[in-house]
Amino acid sequence: AQTVTQSQPEMSVQEAETVTLSCTYDTSENNYYLFWYKQPPSRQMILVIRQEAYKQQNATENRFSVNFQKAAKSFSLKISDSQLGDTAMYFCAFMKRRGGSEKLVFGKGTKLTVNP
Amino acid sequence: NAGVTQTPKFRILKIGQSMTLQCAQDMNHNYMYWYRQDPGMGLKLIYYSVGAGITDKGEVPNGYNVSRSTTEDFPLRLELAAPSQTSVYFCASSYPEGEGAFFGQGTRLTVV
Repeated sequence: AQTVTQSQPEMSVQEAETVTLSCTYDTSENNYYLFWYKQPPSRQMILVIRQEAYKQQNATENRFSVNFQKAAKSFSLKISDSQLGDTAMYFCAFMKRRGGSEKLVFGKGTKLTVNP
Repeated sequence: NAGVTQTPKFRILKIGQSMTLQCAQDMNHNYMYWYRQDPGMGLKLIYYSVGAGITDKGEVPNGYNVSRSTTEDFPLRLELAAPSQTSVYFCASSYPEGEGAFFGQGTRLTVV
C-alpha cells in the first residue's frame, strides 16, 4: 500500500520570503502522479500543482514549484514570494497511474502560516 | 459549471440516526471518492468508484455504504450514526489519468 508522509506539522514564513514543504512517499510503482493541494480556512480543497512520475522536469505553476526526486521518493513544494493568502493547510497526495488502483492517498498535511 | 456539489453543508445527527450525504458532479468524470477529515488530520478514503455500478472500499469503510447508479451521482449513506463519525466529509471526482481530483465544499457532520 502507498503511504505519504509530511514530516512538518506546522511551518511559518514571512511575507515575500520563500518556504519549502516536505513530502516523502512509499511505493513500489513506477508510474504514478503526485499532487499538492491547498486547504485554506474556507475548507475548500484546491489543486496547486501536479507532477507525473515519468517526467523528469519539475512542475511549476507561477510562484509554486516542486522538487521531485524519484529515486529518493521525495516531492517537496517550494512557494516563492509568499503571500498572506498562502496561509493554509497543504496536503501532498499520491495516485497510481491508470491500470492500478486509482485511489488518491493523502499525507496528514502541513499548516503554513504567512506572517506580515 | 458547477463542478462537484455536496449537500448538505452542515448536519447534526443524533446517535443511531441515519442519513445520506449527496454528491453530484457535472464533469463526466469516471472516478468519484468519499473522504473524511478529522480535526488536524489528513483525508482518509472511505469509498471510491471507478464508474457507474462499480464501488470499492477505502481505508475506513465501516459504518458507511455507497452506490453509483449513474456517472453523475455518488451518495454516501451513514447507518446508525455514532459519535466517531463526527467529521468533515468531502466528495471528489477525477478523470482516470491523474489530472487531479476536484473536490466539493465538504459537509460538516456532528453526531451527538
